[in-house]
Amino acid sequence: GAVVSQHPSRVICKSGTSVKIECRSLDFQATTMFWYRQFPKQSLMLMATSNEGSKATYEQGVEKDKFLINHASLTLSTLTVTSAHPEDSSFYICSARGSSGVSYEQYFGPGTRLTVT
Amino acid sequence: AQKITQTQPGMFVQEKEAVTLDCTYDTSDPSYGLFWYKQPSSGEMIFLIYQGSYDQQNATEGRYSLNFQKARKSANLVISASQLGDSAMYFCAMREEFGNEKLTFGTGTRLTIIP
Repeated sequence: GAVVSQHPSRVICKSGTSVKIECRSLDFQATTMFWYRQFPKQSLMLMATSNEGSKATYEQGVEKDKFLINHASLTLSTLTVTSAHPEDSSFYICSARGSSGVSYEQYFGPGTRLTVT
Repeated sequence: AQKITQTQPGMFVQEKEAVTLDCTYDTSDPSYGLFWYKQPSSGEMIFLIYQGSYDQQNATEGRYSLNFQKARKSANLVISASQLGDSAMYFCAMREEFGNEKLTFGTGTRLTIIP
């Protein structure tokens, strides 16, 4: 099956700093990537949808200036949490959708656990 | 707007027994897809099974089957012969087929298999 990687798997940063999370599709071209956030013991909430070469579409309530998404190539999307605060501490998961293969499949990365101190 | 409801926050099942995880959904779209994912404690989302709204037969994948009742808007996951490794969070999700393909997730069910 298709593989999606995320880096880093865990990151601890200080309040006020920025942190970048990478999501890569390793063996397929991802025309669309999705970024989700999951708080402890809660469900996944979609933050934004990004298509290669275009601006991301953010869900209602998600600050686009705080959560910068770049989908510069067909295999890489990045999420940058700017001026991080403790309330941004969460589990961030990306998923990718290819342009071929099984029509319904969406492949998830292993997630990144962000802790802001 | 799409909505997924999972009414069982937690379930305990004896090993080797079958278990049914409930999922109901609400959508006004005529065409949609229903998914089940497993999330172990490590956090990764593992795809289990998919059912399209126009599929005539219930989906099956090994020990997983989806009991799709369109009129009731339910898509329950059935796991046969449960194993200790099945202990995890299970999420039901839905996607519009012709929208932006985003997944809407339910709140999940924590399944614990008892030896």
